[in-house]
Amino acid sequence: ETGVTQTPRHLVMGMTNKKSLKCEQHLGHNAMYWYKQSAKKPLELMFVYSLEERVENNSVPSRFSPECPNSSHLFLHLHTLQPEDSALYLCASSLAHLANYEQYFGPGTRLTVT
Amino acid sequence: AQKVTQAQTEISVVEKEDVTLDCVYETRDTTYYLFWYKQPPSGELVFLIRRNSFDEQNEISGRYSWNFQKSTSSFNFTITASQVVDSAVYFCALSEVDQQAGTALIFGKGTTLSVSS
Repeated sequence: ETGVTQTPRHLVMGMTNKKSLKCEQHLGHNAMYWYKQSAKKPLELMFVYSLEERVENNSVPSRFSPECPNSSHLFLHLHTLQPEDSALYLCASSLAHLANYEQYFGPGTRLTVT
Repeated sequence: AQKVTQAQTEISVVEKEDVTLDCVYETRDTTYYLFWYKQPPSGELVFLIRRNSFDEQNEISGRYSWNFQKSTSSFNFTITASQVVDSAVYFCALSEVDQQAGTALIFGKGTTLSVSS
């Protein structure tokens, strides 16, 4: 595997379910990110991890819970979601959490909340 | 206020036409970085270019070229002789250094480019 991978690619869940999204980067990067992409909206940064520590939490509802067990893996745990949480969730990584480093993105998980 | 503005929501061209995607940004930082990403239908954002605020040289990479002008706070992207494979959503992004929150990559809303044969 190369680059940034995400599983599952598609997920349909009910509002009472608990599920997790997984992201893995094979680039040796030290920073990882979760973004939400909704229709007709700019990408929204949700969480940032640098060297496995959370450094940003952009007012994301507590029904989204991130976890970064090591620098290569990032999870997004989901519980009691709302239909408006349906979106494409993108994971990204960069060499470091610095302004001059580009981010590399995974293919995303298309989440539908019913 | 929107920090990265991509005024063109959708553009449709015919193959071999040249097309320019506009990006206007707003920042008070003297040091910042600008990026372009491509998002094909598969969903994955693909990094195209990074520019720092001190380098106003235009850049050309194959059929792609970028024009960075600090005087107008613009970082426009031109595709020459467009091809069907260029059909995608293109995002312009700005990276600032925020003392409190570290760095942040701010995306525009994207421009959907459709190239027909």
